[in-house]
Amino acid sequence: DVKVTQSSRYLVKRTGEKVFLECVQDMDHENMFWYRQDPGLGLRLIYFSYDVKMKEKGDIPEGYSVSREKKERFSLILESASTNQTSMYLCASSSGRDRPSPLHFGNGTRLTVT
Amino acid sequence: AQTVTQSQPEMSVQEAETVTLSCTYDTSESNYYLFWYKQPPSRQMILVIRQEAYKQQNATENRFSVNFQKAAKSFSLKISDSQLGDTAMYFCAFLNNNAGNMLTFGGGTRLMVKP
Repeated sequence: DVKVTQSSRYLVKRTGEKVFLECVQDMDHENMFWYRQDPGLGLRLIYFSYDVKMKEKGDIPEGYSVSREKKERFSLILESASTNQTSMYLCASSSGRDRPSPLHFGNGTRLTVT
Repeated sequence: AQTVTQSQPEMSVQEAETVTLSCTYDTSESNYYLFWYKQPPSRQMILVIRQEAYKQQNATENRFSVNFQKAAKSFSLKISDSQLGDTAMYFCAFLNNNAGNMLTFGGGTRLMVKP
C-alpha cells in the first residue's frame, strides 16, 4: 500500500514565523502535490511537482514556496506565516507512469497561525 | 479552466436508505475523468469511484454508483444501503487528461448517516 506521511498532524505557529510542512511518500511516485482544504472551498492546489527539483504553481501559490530535493520528499514552506494561512494542508502523490493515476493522500496537517 | 460545483453543503440519510450527492462541472475538454473521494473524520482521503468521460456506462463499486450525464455535465454519486461508516465529507473531482495529473475539486458535501 502507498503511504504518504505528513510530519505533523497539528501545528500552531505565530504570525511571521517561517513554517515547514513535510511530506514523504514511499512508492517512488513522480508526482507530488500540496493542497489546502477550507470549508466550502474544497481542496485547492498550491504547488505540484512532476520530478525532483521541479515545481509548478497551482491555483493559489501566493505566500507559499516548495522544495523537492529528493523524489520521496516534498516540502511546503510558508516564508512568513499569516493568519489567513490557518487551514488544513494535504499532501498527495501519484505515479507519473499511469494515466490517470489515482492520488494518494496523507492524513493532513491542521495549521493554526495566531 | 475547469470548475466543479457541489450544491449540497450538508446532507443526512437514515441508515440502510439511499442518498444521492450532486456534482456539476464546467469544461470545454472532451477527454477527462471524474472522481468521487471520501474523507472520513480520520481525514484520510479515499478514492470511492471514478468515471472516464468517453465511457457511456455508469461506474459502479459495490454500494456506490454514479449517474454520469455528459451533455448536462453532471456527475452524481448514489450510495445505496447507507452505513454509519459512510459518514464523511465527499468531494467530486475533475481531471483534464490533456493537462497533467492535477485534480480540480468541488467544495464538498458533508454526509451524516443516522442510526
